[in-house]
Amino acid sequence: DTEVTQTPKHLVMGMTNKKSLKCEQHMGHRAMYWYKQKAKKPPELMFVYSYEKLSINESVPSRFSPECPNSSLLNLHLHALQPEDSALYLCASSHTPGVSGSAEDTQYFGPGTRLTVL
Amino acid sequence: AQSVAQPEDQVNVAEGNPLTVKCTYSVSGNPYLFWYVQYPNRGLQFLLKYITGDNLVKGSYGFEAEFNKSQTSFHLKKPSALVSDSALYFCAVRDMGGRRALTFGSGTRLQVQP
Repeated sequence: DTEVTQTPKHLVMGMTNKKSLKCEQHMGHRAMYWYKQKAKKPPELMFVYSYEKLSINESVPSRFSPECPNSSLLNLHLHALQPEDSALYLCASSHTPGVSGSAEDTQYFGPGTRLTVL
Repeated sequence: AQSVAQPEDQVNVAEGNPLTVKCTYSVSGNPYLFWYVQYPNRGLQFLLKYITGDNLVKGSYGFEAEFNKSQTSFHLKKPSALVSDSALYFCAVRDMGGRRALTFGSGTRLQVQP
């Protein structure tokens, strides 16, 4: 099974709201990723977690706050977002952490959360 | 730094005909190349990857890709296109530096006409 699940599927929030995106995988993967994808563009890496520790932050604004409570779960906490943050947020996982692991690892993606900021 | 280029924004092909979606890459070492497909309002689905070995890689849903080192290309192919293959296709290269993240091409929209 190569399933990564994400909730919610859709989210509409105001600029003063606080919300969270959730991602879950049960493949025993120890690397998890958040990507942001704008319409008709490729995904862009935001964060990488390796063994539940943040290993890469691609200079993402602090209004995005990732959290990895355990090896199966990955959250993205959202606060004071801007309308330009509206996008599809994709979670992915791979077997071994990217920094020290194998480049052969395949990243498996969830279906994404479509976020709209009003 | 590594990069991939997908020179065609859109490829149109008739159902039953062979299809090719082009990808070229630029890396400083050994390339680790991937193809993903994205259906509307969905996440990315893994199709296939090239790590080493045979230059012709077979993947999911009848897709295959041909690795050509001299031309630095990794074109996606299918002998007979289906209407259901219509989707957005991304080529990606794995960063061999500290990040080990995926760098994606700009994407190619495949439209298969009945």
